[in-house]
Amino acid sequence: ETGVTQSPTHLIKTRGQQVTLRCSSQSGHNTVSWYQQALGQGPQFIFQYYREEENGRGNFPPRFSGLQFPNYSSELNVNALELDDSALYLCASSLGRVRGEQYFGPGTRLTVT
Amino acid sequence: GESVGLHLPTLSVQEGDNSIINCAYSNSASDYFIWYKQESGKGPQFIIDIRSNMDKRQGQRVTVLLNKTVKHLSLQIAATQPGDSAVYFCAEVDGSSNTGKLIFGQGTTLQVKP
Repeated sequence: ETGVTQSPTHLIKTRGQQVTLRCSSQSGHNTVSWYQQALGQGPQFIFQYYREEENGRGNFPPRFSGLQFPNYSSELNVNALELDDSALYLCASSLGRVRGEQYFGPGTRLTVT
Repeated sequence: GESVGLHLPTLSVQEGDNSIINCAYSNSASDYFIWYKQESGKGPQFIIDIRSNMDKRQGQRVTVLLNKTVKHLSLQIAATQPGDSAVYFCAEVDGSSNTGKLIFGQGTTLQVKP
């Protein structure tokens, strides 16, 4: 086990709704990255937070947003949910932005109906 | 464009045999590669990494080989066990950004037959 925790484990939402996913990073890690993993695919980078600021973003629309708190835990918010947002959302924590080994949490399975 | 891909979606091996999982990447500027194992219902688990100044690195029962000439890397698992059954991803660290973002391939499913 990596020490990275995510909540909730599973979530079902309706199209158009908003959702907030949470991640607690491993002790001592100051960087959190979020990934979206569609069924049968590899994870896709959404964005990264380093010391409470966004530090890089993947090819995701602005309705995907996030926060990082002083204790380095993080939230991923998705507004105006679409059916294609159904996926496993993974967070990974690391020490440092670039070369730190990234430890993944178990993920949150989001289903949009 | 950037992409990391694996050659085979599924690999089936007999327990005790050696497994070889392959991966091709397209960005010649990439300088750091990682193999992850993902079991059902879990997040990816770090297996082994390699930097571009190396062509081989060994861990416990695993070896990663990097061939920069043909932009290919492989993961070798010795004496494959049922617990090795999972999806394996190679990931490339984006050397052009300051985020260390991981670029994953689509994965290879390893099935170990008892």
